[in-house]
Amino acid sequence: GAGVSQTPSNKVTEKGKYVELRCDPISGHTALYWYRQSLGQGPEFLIYFQGTGAADDSGLPNDRFFAVRPEGSVSTLKIQRTERGDSAVYLCASSQTPGTPYGYTFGSGTRLTVV
Amino acid sequence: GQQLNQSPQSMFIQEGEDVSMNCTSSSIFNTWLWYKQEPGEGPVLLIALYKAGELTSNGRLTAQFGITRKDSFLNISASIPSDVGIYFCAGLNYGGSQGNLIFGKGTKLSVKP
Repeated sequence: GAGVSQTPSNKVTEKGKYVELRCDPISGHTALYWYRQSLGQGPEFLIYFQGTGAADDSGLPNDRFFAVRPEGSVSTLKIQRTERGDSAVYLCASSQTPGTPYGYTFGSGTRLTVV
Repeated sequence: GQQLNQSPQSMFIQEGEDVSMNCTSSSIFNTWLWYKQEPGEGPVLLIALYKAGELTSNGRLTAQFGITRKDSFLNISASIPSDVGIYFCAGLNYGGSQGNLIFGKGTKLSVKP
């Protein structure tokens, strides 16, 4: 597609539930990144995929968070046993060449609210 | 996680005024970036800086990469209402498996017509 697409745009879930957030990167972009943006903060890095594999998952806060990219395109961020502190905007970005600022395009994000 | 020190946190200015914001880090980066984010959208890249001391312009925007590689500033001249948004600095060390951006907390800009 023309841009990075994230679905859903908004998600409200109850504490303790499981959620999946989807990211469709720009076609042909091999690098994909997930960031989390809490209210009043800048985005914080979660995980980076180069192709199908996670090249760097050092930003995942704990083992309740997991992300996959099985075919090297679409990625899903999975959060188990959600907590109120997980409420944030989850941003996805993709780039053609990993680690370079050009072509590093962000999606509009998924706003997750845990009640 | 690590975040950069960005100031001011917010600015409320009159249309036509110039704006300046800056960002500092305790560690060096080989690339500094400035993004703008509007409500409900992801950050959009404004300017990228690659060399210490580099001064780069994009229309009314000018940014500089500090000599120490630990700081950067962004200036906006002759502000207009559509400049409203949150401006983020970000540092990047590209190469190898390092590709993640480290962001500041943002400067919220409000412009009064």
